[in-house]
Amino acid sequence: ETGVTQTPRHLVMGMTNKKSLKCEQHLGHNAMYWYKQSAKKPLELMFVYNFKEQTENNSVPSRFSPECPNSSHLFLHLHTLQPEDSALYLCASSQELVSGGRLTGELFFGEGSRLTVL
Amino acid sequence: QKEVEQDPGPLSVPEGAIVSLNCTYSNSAFQYFMWYRQYSRKGPELLMYTYSSGNKEDGRFTAQVDKSSKYISLFIRDSQPSDSATYLCAMKRQRGGSQGNLIFGKGTKLSVKP
Repeated sequence: ETGVTQTPRHLVMGMTNKKSLKCEQHLGHNAMYWYKQSAKKPLELMFVYNFKEQTENNSVPSRFSPECPNSSHLFLHLHTLQPEDSALYLCASSQELVSGGRLTGELFFGEGSRLTVL
Repeated sequence: QKEVEQDPGPLSVPEGAIVSLNCTYSNSAFQYFMWYRQYSRKGPELLMYTYSSGNKEDGRFTAQVDKSSKYISLFIRDSQPSDSATYLCAMKRQRGGSQGNLIFGKGTKLSVKP
């Protein structure tokens, strides 16, 4: 396996279900991200983990719960979602510099998990 | 005013045409500008990256930044059907720091017809 892999690729769930999205990166990166991509809207950053510590949570509703057990794995736990949460959820990773320095500049994205909430 | 504006298209051109994709932005502190390409059912991938103003060329692709006008462009010469994708501009202020500081445009969907 190479790059960033996400499972499942497609998920349909009811509003009362509990499900999880999984992301794994094989690039040796130290930062991982969850993004939401909806039609006609910019990519929305949801969560950032640097060195397994959550560093950003962009006002995401508590029905989305991230988990980063190690630097290679990232989960997004889903609970009592709403139909408007239907979207493509993208995981990404990058190699962040510890201090200053030149911009490394690249996010590596997975192929996404297409979520439909009924 | 949104930080980054990008016309979502769709944009349809014939094969061989020169394509111009653009973004405008409002934050004069942005210094790093990127273009990501996203094929259907795939995640975005970095296509080009420029710092501050000026041009950068890579094969058939040229990225241009005009900080005085807060306007960035991506030109594709001799466009091919394989260029059909959604192109997202992205930008950030800081030299270092998390890539989570990237601000993305909505993306422009491009279709190149044979």
